[in-house]
Amino acid sequence: EAGVTQSPRYAVLQEGQAVSFWCDPISGHDTLYWYQQPRDQGPQLLVYFRDEAVIDNSQLPSDRFSAVRPKGTNSTLKIQSAKQGDTATYLCASSRTWGGSYEQYFGPGTRLTVL
Amino acid sequence: GDSVTQTEGLVTLTEGLPVMLNCTYQTIYSNAFLFWYVHYLNESPWLLLRSSTDNKRTEHQGFHATLHKSSSSFHLQKSSAQLSDSALYYCASPTSGGNYKPTFGKGTSLVVHP
Repeated sequence: EAGVTQSPRYAVLQEGQAVSFWCDPISGHDTLYWYQQPRDQGPQLLVYFRDEAVIDNSQLPSDRFSAVRPKGTNSTLKIQSAKQGDTATYLCASSRTWGGSYEQYFGPGTRLTVL
Repeated sequence: GDSVTQTEGLVTLTEGLPVMLNCTYQTIYSNAFLFWYVHYLNESPWLLLRSSTDNKRTEHQGFHATLHKSSSSFHLQKSSAQLSDSALYYCASPTSGGNYKPTFGKGTSLVVHP
């Protein structure tokens, strides 16, 4: 079984530039999470989906960040106009709701640096 | 809202000594359960332990933790630290409730030296 895959692995931007991150969850996992992990901090949930529906995006800076999961499989997280404060690792994770495990499987992350 | 608080920052141990990383939580839900994730350098985080019922110990790969609802705690322990245990450890709760929104602690960096 393939794990969660993410791309790109690294991104370096100037302030004001846009960037998109892509995530392919484990097949059959209905729930997909996007986290922001600044250096030396724990993962902070940005948004999560069950199938194609957004369950919670209250921590997503809506003026510049957007996330979609149109077919309930792959997902894209986009930053419209990056700021230096967005420098962090962006983690994608997936889980299977039914069965009650809630164990999350994480991808390798995308390390973003905004200059 | 729900929150998770864990031993923050750096914990440094000599190989062979016991490990204890603290985790406490706040939630309004009576059936909350918790996780410990481990994050090794250059790898993805993965699940180390998941809590069971109240006062029941769960074990995996030499680590163990017991959910104590009376003290809202789920401390991670190991009897004898190994060099290979050096990693970041995160306590997390899925927030028992309708939508199971996960909350992570800030993480503990464990360094085990000879």
